[in-house]
Amino acid sequence: NAGVTQTPKFRVLKTGQSMTLLCAQDMNHEYMYWYRQDPGMGLRLIHYSVGEGTTAKGEVPDGYNVSRLKKQNFLLGLESAAPSQTSVYFCASSSSPSVGTQYFGPGTRLTVL
Amino acid sequence: ELKVEQNPLFLSMQEGKNYTIYCNYSTTSDRLYWYRQDPGKSLESLFVLLSNGAVKQEGRLMASLDTKARLSTLHITAAVHDLSATYFCAVDKRGGSEKLVFGKGTKLTVNP
Repeated sequence: NAGVTQTPKFRVLKTGQSMTLLCAQDMNHEYMYWYRQDPGMGLRLIHYSVGEGTTAKGEVPDGYNVSRLKKQNFLLGLESAAPSQTSVYFCASSSSPSVGTQYFGPGTRLTVL
Repeated sequence: ELKVEQNPLFLSMQEGKNYTIYCNYSTTSDRLYWYRQDPGKSLESLFVLLSNGAVKQEGRLMASLDTKARLSTLHITAAVHDLSATYFCAVDKRGGSEKLVFGKGTKLTVNP
């Protein structure tokens, strides 16, 4: 049981390049989330999904897109990376928002030059 | 808009001492979560507090929730070096908003 996994763990991009971060969970959770963590800012929600085929905007969605084609996977895309998107990205999943805690992946450290 | 404030943001304490971290939030909520993050690592769930008056304890850590005061506390008893980490509280708006709002975290350093 791997829990929540993220690919890649590290990535360096040049401004304007695109990339996709992959999050996978094997706990059959309905809810999945993408956060970014910046020094002194805590975690901020980018996008989330309440089930396969659904997505919704979080607190800081600009510059990102997401897709949830399969229940176990949640993809985060950067179409044209900017230095302001340098951050650590965490994916999380939960079974139910009413009683369940969120389980976090190991994170992806992204640097945009 | 739900806002979550933690204080202090930085805490340096000696081993063996007691201290409390505070988490205030701005709108009604029945659910509050505490997480721990070690440097360079992911977040690990510590406590889930689901009702007014809830108290949970694990080792030297005890968390409580007062929904009327919109306040949760994380109390550290007889701190040890292994408790050095950043602690986050997170709040879910009443009604099952499906989203958590995190505080900025409290970086705890326990010195020998």
